[in-house]
Amino acid sequence: DVKVTQSSRYLVKRTGEKVFLECVQDMDHENMFWYRQDPGLGLRLIYFSYDVKMKEKGDIPEGYSVSREKKERFSLILESASTNQTSMYLCASRADRGPFFGSGTQLSVL
Amino acid sequence: QKEVEQNSGPLSVPEGAIASLNCTYSDRVSQSFFWYRQYSGKSPELIMSIYSNGDKEDGRFTAQLNKASQYVSLLIRDSQPSDSATYLCAVKPGGYQKVTFGIGTKLQVIP
Repeated sequence: DVKVTQSSRYLVKRTGEKVFLECVQDMDHENMFWYRQDPGLGLRLIYFSYDVKMKEKGDIPEGYSVSREKKERFSLILESASTNQTSMYLCASRADRGPFFGSGTQLSVL
Repeated sequence: QKEVEQNSGPLSVPEGAIASLNCTYSDRVSQSFFWYRQYSGKSPELIMSIYSNGDKEDGRFTAQLNKASQYVSLLIRDSQPSDSATYLCAVKPGGYQKVTFGIGTKLQVIP
């Protein structure tokens, strides 16, 4: 079975902090994704990566950056967390047969 | 116009009925189409994928695709209370890895 592991289920941070969300997949997938999900707005793509060190902006990249130094790991970075970044963050891998999601990280920025 | 459009619902159907969930998309080069089920507090789970025009059946689920009309649907036969969830439609263009989701339709199956 595909496994996508997100490092934290719940996270509470302060405004202005630098926040790292980690995601690891164990199926050697080339493609990895970061989405955020908000009530009434659905799943919105922040960034995706199609290879090591390769990344592309999604629909809402502002305020975020990503890092993919190894194939299995894709990190989302909030350079200076703000309250409007309070959300559920979902990592996924694979694309051609549909993204497979991790269990998500509920981030609260106070 | 949103890339992937769904009615947010809720769609209420009685137990045992057929639930019909609809999705339209704007990008004509879309090649892959997916349906996800998301229970409250959980992450989305892939339940169906479809790549060519017509119907694809898997158990109680049938996905229907009409590329000319840019329309994809999901039918759930013999709906059960356990089917109550939000159903997300997703599309992917050929040769490009970005996958775009609709807002999701909340389905309520009434016992």
